[in-house]
Amino acid sequence: EVQVLESGGGLVQPGGSLRLSCAASGFTFSNYAMSWVRQAPGKGLEWVSLISNSGGNAHYADSVKGRFTISRDNSKNTLFLQMNNLRAEDTAVYYCAKGGYNIYFDPWGQGTVVTVSS
Amino acid sequence: EIVLTQSPATLSLSPGERATLSCRASQSVSSYLGWYQQKPGQAPRLLIYDASNRATGIPARFSGSGSGTDFTLTISSLEPEDFAVYYCQQRSNWPRTFGQGTKVEIK
Repeated sequence: EVQVLESGGGLVQPGGSLRLSCAASGFTFSNYAMSWVRQAPGKGLEWVSLISNSGGNAHYADSVKGRFTISRDNSKNTLFLQMNNLRAEDTAVYYCAKGGYNIYFDPWGQGTVVTVSS
Repeated sequence: EIVLTQSPATLSLSPGERATLSCRASQSVSSYLGWYQQKPGQAPRLLIYDASNRATGIPARFSGSGSGTDFTLTISSLEPEDFAVYYCQQRSNWPRTFGQGTKVEIK
C-alpha cells in the first residue's frame, strides 16, 4: 500500500524554526516528485513546495520562498521541509503528498499540525 | 498565477440527488485539472485527474468534464458518504493552485 506519514509539527514562536519529515512506503520513492500542501484552520488548500524525484529541482509558493527549504533523502525514503522565520500565518496542517509535477497529489498523509504563536 | 474559482460555495442536496460542481480557471489549463474530496478531519483524496479520469478506486457515480477554463464535477446520485468539501486543482502552471472549495451538505 502506498503511504506517506508526516511528523515534526508542533508549537513554535514567531521567528522560530521547525523541520517536518515525511516517511514514504509502498512505492519507489526515488521515481517520484514529492510535495507539501498546507491548510490553515478553517481554510482551503495551499500548495507550498515541490521537489523533483532526484532532488535537483524545487519549486516554492511565493508565500514561503526564502524561508522554507524542501529536501529529500532517497536512501531513506524521506521528504523534509525546513521552515525558518515562521510567522503566525504559517499556522496550518501540513500535508505531504506524492506527486505534483506531471501527476496530481496522491496519496496524502494524515497531516502534521504547525502552530506559530507566542 | 492561475486563479481557480469554484461555485457554488455550498450545495445543499438530499441523498440520491445529482450534484453539479463548477470550477473556472482564470486562464486555460488545457485538461490539467483534478478534483479532490475532503471530509472533516481527514486528508484530501484524489477523485478525478486530467479533467475526466477517475482515480483508482473511485466509484463511477463521480465524473468530470471540461477543458480550457471551465470544468465540472458531477456526482450522479449522492450517497451519505459523499457529503464533504470538494476542491479543484490545476497542474498546468506554477504555482500549483487550488480552488477555494465547494461544500456539499445534507439538505
